[in-house]
Amino acid sequence: ETGVTQTPRHLVMGMTNKKSLKCEQHLGHNAMYWYKQSAKKPLELMFVYNFKEQTENNSVPSRFSPECPNSSHLFLHLHTLQPEDSALYLCASSQDGGGREQFFGPGTRLTVL
Amino acid sequence: AQSVAQPEDQVNVAEGNPLTVKCTYSVSGNPYLFWYVQYPNRGLQFLLKYITGDNLVKGSYGFEAEFNKSQTSFHLKKPSALVSDSALYFCAVRDESNTGKLIFGQGTTLQVKP
Repeated sequence: ETGVTQTPRHLVMGMTNKKSLKCEQHLGHNAMYWYKQSAKKPLELMFVYNFKEQTENNSVPSRFSPECPNSSHLFLHLHTLQPEDSALYLCASSQDGGGREQFFGPGTRLTVL
Repeated sequence: AQSVAQPEDQVNVAEGNPLTVKCTYSVSGNPYLFWYVQYPNRGLQFLLKYITGDNLVKGSYGFEAEFNKSQTSFHLKKPSALVSDSALYFCAVRDESNTGKLIFGQGTTLQVKP
């Protein structure tokens, strides 16, 4: 869609499982973001990475663990999630962290049983 | 604290009529403002932004937005709505900490009826 891809697109997991979400951007950007989008709630920023360094953790529970090995890839490692963590998880990137527009991936629809 | 408000959960318009989706903001400095659209089961798509300059900003798919500093508003407009414009629209403002963080409004569902 916009040069930002996310896999998988859909994920169903049990509360004891460990899984990872992957995001890749092909835009040459240096900032990457994870958002959570739940029904009837505004977008919630989770993490921000600038040049592979985490610059924002928006009080996210430790059962969500991000990883940014390089400026093109971002992971979200999941373990012992709760049913209320079911949501659409969106990845985005921007050229830098200075307030330029962000480009979003299609999201991963996560269901926790 | 910075904030963005979209006062309408849903806007209904007839195809061919003009549409407006409202957004107001609160920041202490100069605002960087954005509009995004989200179609079902998709990510957000960037429509347009205001940083400085002309108060009327033109964006993708025939959309435009008017920045009004005195009313702290940034309403999204289109002269003639299409059924395919039906989607969820988000207004956002850049966080003043300059970390790249965007603060999003709660979203407005636009329904365009034939």
